[in-house]
Amino acid sequence: GAGVSQSPSNKVTEKGKDVELRCDPISGHTALYWYRQSLGQGLEFLIYFQGNSAPDKSGLPSDRFSAERTGGSVSTLTIQRTQQEDSAVYLCASSFGTNPYEQYFGPGTRLTVT
Amino acid sequence: DAKTTQPPSMDCAEGRAANLPCNHSTISGNEYVYWYRQIHSQGPQYIIHGLKNNETNEMASLIITEDRKSSTLILPHATLRDTAVYYCIVRETRGYALNFGKGTSLLVTP
Repeated sequence: GAGVSQSPSNKVTEKGKDVELRCDPISGHTALYWYRQSLGQGLEFLIYFQGNSAPDKSGLPSDRFSAERTGGSVSTLTIQRTQQEDSAVYLCASSFGTNPYEQYFGPGTRLTVT
Repeated sequence: DAKTTQPPSMDCAEGRAANLPCNHSTISGNEYVYWYRQIHSQGPQYIIHGLKNNETNEMASLIITEDRKSSTLILPHATLRDTAVYYCIVRETRGYALNFGKGTSLLVTP
């Protein structure tokens, strides 16, 4: 079946511009997560959605970052006024529920801020 | 969540079993042990998880010691495509975000 998909696969943007990254989770998965991975670093949790509950935004690094999940399915991560330190691979994952259900990851969006 | 300790790198010959250790001495009773891997330029891939008993699936086996303070991921017949960074993650039942740490970089050689 279809896995988690993300678009675009690559995004190059100028410093100060806004960007939107999209995630299509696996159908039927109620939980959705965003992580980011900077060059040579581990994965950093950003935000978590579970069903209709309020999202856990505790991992967002600044108020320039926000995310939405519409209709319990597709999610968009928005970064406003991008900075060079925002350059990273942004990964989306989904799962059938919370622990102990495994998370399935998409291929990621590589964001480069010039 | 409990902290895990893994060797930074390991080598394994193709066709041989790869045994990847993980120490999690501060694990508590309601924390699961998860293994994921990340092949270069790809998103992480779930491998296996367990609580107390040993587990096996089509990808690997997970051996958890009786005191649960350590575990070993076994890839029974490693192939070149198994070259990746392997992450051992301990996660409480209420948790959801995965703390990937540094992992073990496994190189499978011909």
